[in-house]
Amino acid sequence: DGGITQSPKYLFRKEGQNVTLSCEQNLNHDAMYWYRQDPGQGLRLIYYSQIVNDFQKGDIAEGYSVSREKKESFPLTVTSAQKNPTAFYLCASSQTGGRNEQFFGPGTRLTVL
Amino acid sequence: GENVEQHPSTLSVQEGDSAVIKCTYSDSASNYFPWYKQELGKRPQLIIDIRSNVGEKKDQRIAVTLNKTAKHFSLHITETQPEDSAVYFCAATSYSGGGADGLTFGKGTHLIIQP
Repeated sequence: DGGITQSPKYLFRKEGQNVTLSCEQNLNHDAMYWYRQDPGQGLRLIYYSQIVNDFQKGDIAEGYSVSREKKESFPLTVTSAQKNPTAFYLCASSQTGGRNEQFFGPGTRLTVL
Repeated sequence: GENVEQHPSTLSVQEGDSAVIKCTYSDSASNYFPWYKQELGKRPQLIIDIRSNVGEKKDQRIAVTLNKTAKHFSLHITETQPEDSAVYFCAATSYSGGGADGLTFGKGTHLIIQP
């Protein structure tokens, strides 16, 4: 799981501003995912991508956007339309076919003031 | 879509005793069930997983059982140790050919090992 990096570790933004969270992997994984975690809650799927230039909405996609221009990168933008953006954001990646374990990055803690 | 329920939300056991965490899922198409351990402020780490063509899987002190008919699966930790204290999440998804649709997680179980 050391092959997935997220930056920054902590991020503070003012209400109404868009912010982009970075996720990079060097595991040569085809699939990448974004999850949101709130205190005392499980992880919830925001967006996922199984191949470059293609992605699908997860359970809570409203107020978020993504792009997948490169296999290694899957940035997440939290827009001003997201009503309650303060949370811990986790990126993950996995192989397609064969062993399907999802490896997680270290996370970005976003606080909107 | 898939819905995963996890119980209990908190579990306190004496060191050396066994711990059992149970999950149920709703989508019969789900065929992959991982368990993750998460320490405070850290990333989730996979500890064991099971596919729907297998009923039980063991890895040292950890085992997972799956009942497809009843749509439930359980995590068993034997001879618990202080380092087992963490939050444990179950999850479910379906793989078909290529990649997965993303995991649906339970809300987690805070396991506390009492010395």
